[in-house]
Amino acid sequence: GAVVSQHPSRVICKSGTSVKIECRSLDFQATTMFWYRQFPKQSLMLMATSNEGSKATYEQGVEKDKFLINHASLTLSTLTVTSAHPEDSSFYICSAEGVRNQPQHFGDGTRLSIL
Amino acid sequence: KQEVTQIPAALSVPEGENLVLNCSFTDSAIYNLQWFRQDPGKGLTSLLLIQSSQREQTSGRLNASLDKSSGRSTLYIAASQPGDSATYLCAVNAAGNKLTFGGGTRVLVKP
Repeated sequence: GAVVSQHPSRVICKSGTSVKIECRSLDFQATTMFWYRQFPKQSLMLMATSNEGSKATYEQGVEKDKFLINHASLTLSTLTVTSAHPEDSSFYICSAEGVRNQPQHFGDGTRLSIL
Repeated sequence: KQEVTQIPAALSVPEGENLVLNCSFTDSAIYNLQWFRQDPGKGLTSLLLIQSSQREQTSGRLNASLDKSSGRSTLYIAASQPGDSATYLCAVNAAGNKLTFGGGTRVLVKP
């Protein structure tokens, strides 16, 4: 089946560091990728929709300069948390869509901890 | 704005009992609804997807129903096992494949 690889699985770093998270579709082309954020014991909240070759569309309340998204190819999207602070600590999950309106395939998530 | 609610937030049952998980959504104009399983600290595993034109989907011990007009879906898990312990999330796809998730139901199946 379709596989989405997310890397790294866990990051611990100091406040002020920028952190890049990669999301790859391993065996299909993903025209659209989605980035979600999940706080402990809460549900997933969509942060942004990433379309290959164009600018990402951010949800209301998500700072685009804080969360930089790049989708340069049909198999890779990256999320960079710039100048991360403790309040950015969360679980970030990506998903990829191969065929429109067909099920998205999710990565295993990245646990980000900012000290 | 679409809102998705899951009740109960947590559920504990003895092994062998059937599980009933509820999901409600406020806007019935949906493309599909999906049920996921999430283990602690892990990503999501898709369980069932119901298109808006369908009433139910079945996979093994899992059965999901959809009543779009009333904005409800129910996930049934028959003969629960300790391995079914996880958080179950429902998500509604209303537009552009942007999923709106419910808060989840944390399930514990006690041996």
